Amino acid sequence: DQQVKQNSPSLSVQEGRISILNCDYTNSMFDYFLWYKKYPAEGPTFLISISSIKDKNEDGRFTVFLNKSAKHLSLHIVPSQPGDSAVYFCAAKRNQGGKLIFGQGTELSVKP
Amino acid sequence: DARVTQTPRDKVTEMGQEVTMRCQPILGHNTVFWYRQTMMQGLELLAYFRNRAPLDDSGMPKDRFSAEMPDATLATLKIQPSEPRDSAVYFCASARGSGQPQHFGDGTRLSIL
Repeated sequence: DQQVKQNSPSLSVQEGRISILNCDYTNSMFDYFLWYKKYPAEGPTFLISISSIKDKNEDGRFTVFLNKSAKHLSLHIVPSQPGDSAVYFCAAKRNQGGKLIFGQGTELSVKP
Repeated sequence: DARVTQTPRDKVTEMGQEVTMRCQPILGHNTVFWYRQTMMQGLELLAYFRNRAPLDDSGMPKDRFSAEMPDATLATLKIQPSEPRDSAVYFCASARGSGQPQHFGDGTRLSIL
């Protein structure tokens, strides 16, 4: 039972354009969502998070949008840079617990 | 920058051998997690500890896996006996508290022949 789903295994974007990575979840008890970025041979690195009391959180070039009614969140990167090329994981949890449920990841390739 | 440290980075061993993976969490972090990443399952939580006490190990095969925190600076994950299906990358992560982002180590790449 995949509670957090990233349906696109890969995404290719031109440098300077917007990258949009999507994530869907099924458990309505999730109330805290995170995005992690992972380079090969390294561990995932925390990127940005959002609580369910918000619908948007912005940090520099990265913005996460949350649509609770659709159980959907997205990560926008603008403008995209070649250094953004990595695997992006969406994760969700219930605020009172520490257990993160991860999606399968989307591999982003930003081409110069 | 403080980092989670995992050893060894790579481990290749034969089926049936005991494997021990170690993790040094970031100083001051009281919650430690063990994850396994495979192509088929993605990143899955095996177990986690808060203040050295195990909170949830429901993701871990109990017959061969064990996780402990002998002290606040060391977490271990053991597999005995190891099997080829245990081949994966094992990540340790730590967090300052339950509501805080988790910081990951670079993983142990385990290959069981």
